[in-house]
Amino acid sequence: QSALTQPASVSGSPGQSITISCTGTSSDVGGYNYVSWYQQHPGKAPKLMIYEVSNRPSGVSNRFSGSKSGNTASLTISGLQAEDEADYYCSSYTSSSFRVFGGGTKLTVL
Amino acid sequence: EVQLVESGGGLVQPGGSLRLSCAASGFTVSSNYMSWVRQAPGKGLEWVSVIYSGGSTYYADSVKGRFTISRDNSKNTLYLQMNSLRAEDTAVYYCAREGGVATNTNWGQGTLVTVSS
Repeated sequence: QSALTQPASVSGSPGQSITISCTGTSSDVGGYNYVSWYQQHPGKAPKLMIYEVSNRPSGVSNRFSGSKSGNTASLTISGLQAEDEADYYCSSYTSSSFRVFGGGTKLTVL
Repeated sequence: EVQLVESGGGLVQPGGSLRLSCAASGFTVSSNYMSWVRQAPGKGLEWVSVIYSGGSTYYADSVKGRFTISRDNSKNTLYLQMNSLRAEDTAVYYCAREGGVATNTNWGQGTLVTVSS
């Protein structure tokens, strides 16, 4: 059960767009459309931002979008805002009926 | 409104045991997939275990054979029995409701487990 691979950090200026990648294998990200993304602010519980690759839960800004190509999923945040500064984690269903998270990406809004 | 409230965390010696509880309201635990996810201090999220509505259970290799996930339908509560605890089990433990397959839609506030002598 190896963790999915995410960049340790990304940064962008307010108003810009950033993309966070999440790379797995054909046994997880590439094999299923059950990729989700979570936002976590310091000291808080994670919050679901994207599910099933590209779906947004009610209440999540449409500035957040998700996609997948092969074994790599991506989270894009457009029109960066200061409040977007947080840690982001991807997660995927796996062929063993397990779940696996990415190592997390720290987003800094400059 | 969906609410999840974890309890049972604390300080335990290596080799000891602890049972975490997750009291749910606003939905029925037994009708949902329920997961435990942990986060070691300063580290990322790690999936621990899931119980399906039909009762099937799955565990991460790191806890298999030591942890047991279960639920009490009458109390609408999820549990995680943790035995043979190790220092590396030190983490905040979150329970979560999977609103879809492998989709942690709702999370509790977490409970801290510290394994230390």
